[in-house]
Amino acid sequence: SAVISQKPSRDICQRGTSLTIQCQVDSQVTMMFWYRQQPGQSLTLIATANQGSEATYESGFVIDKFPISRPNLTFSTLTVSNMSPEDSSIYLCSVKGGDDTGELFFGEGSRLTVL
Amino acid sequence: GEDVEQSLFLSVREGDSSVINCTYTDSSSTYLYWYKQEPGAGLQLLTYIFSNMDMKQDQRLTVLLNKKDKHLSLRIADTQTGDSAIYFCAETSHMDSNYQLIWGAGTKLIIKP
Repeated sequence: SAVISQKPSRDICQRGTSLTIQCQVDSQVTMMFWYRQQPGQSLTLIATANQGSEATYESGFVIDKFPISRPNLTFSTLTVSNMSPEDSSIYLCSVKGGDDTGELFFGEGSRLTVL
Repeated sequence: GEDVEQSLFLSVREGDSSVINCTYTDSSSTYLYWYKQEPGAGLQLLTYIFSNMDMKQDQRLTVLLNKKDKHLSLRIADTQTGDSAIYFCAETSHMDSNYQLIWGAGTKLIIKP
């Protein structure tokens, strides 16, 4: 199993500002995933963060809007840049377990409200 | 693209069985999951089933898979107030470096006393 800590747990932000979310894992992992969770919508993968290489972004998400850092095997950050009210959401950090079940472990999420 | 559908709400009485349904479109789906998200918490794997199985039972949980209809269900027997949560259905056909889950929107289970 993996224990994932995310900071901040929630924040209220002003339009046009940027916020960085931190994700700390208690073990070394190769892939870390950043998801967005909006009410009534499917969990949406933003990007996959691999240590030592550029993050891989999914369709509809770009590095300028969601820059990601992955300085080591236990830590990653996601920045939500130039925020608008449409960015209000829960952002979740996730890692894949080491066994063959494909289980994902999630942080508790960061709930952002953009005014 | 591939899609996973599930209803957004289910209301059941405490002590009754809850059945949460999910349909998916990926014909090559090999792993299917049910995740649970309690209020204010991240998602947690509840159970999973491989595509070569029809059923899996784990204590109060029963997962049924109908591959022909691409239908997955989660039955919770003797539903308790602690089962109040959002239940997400997810599937994948890759376990390698292309690993990615396709998620449903989640079904909120509401327990009536």
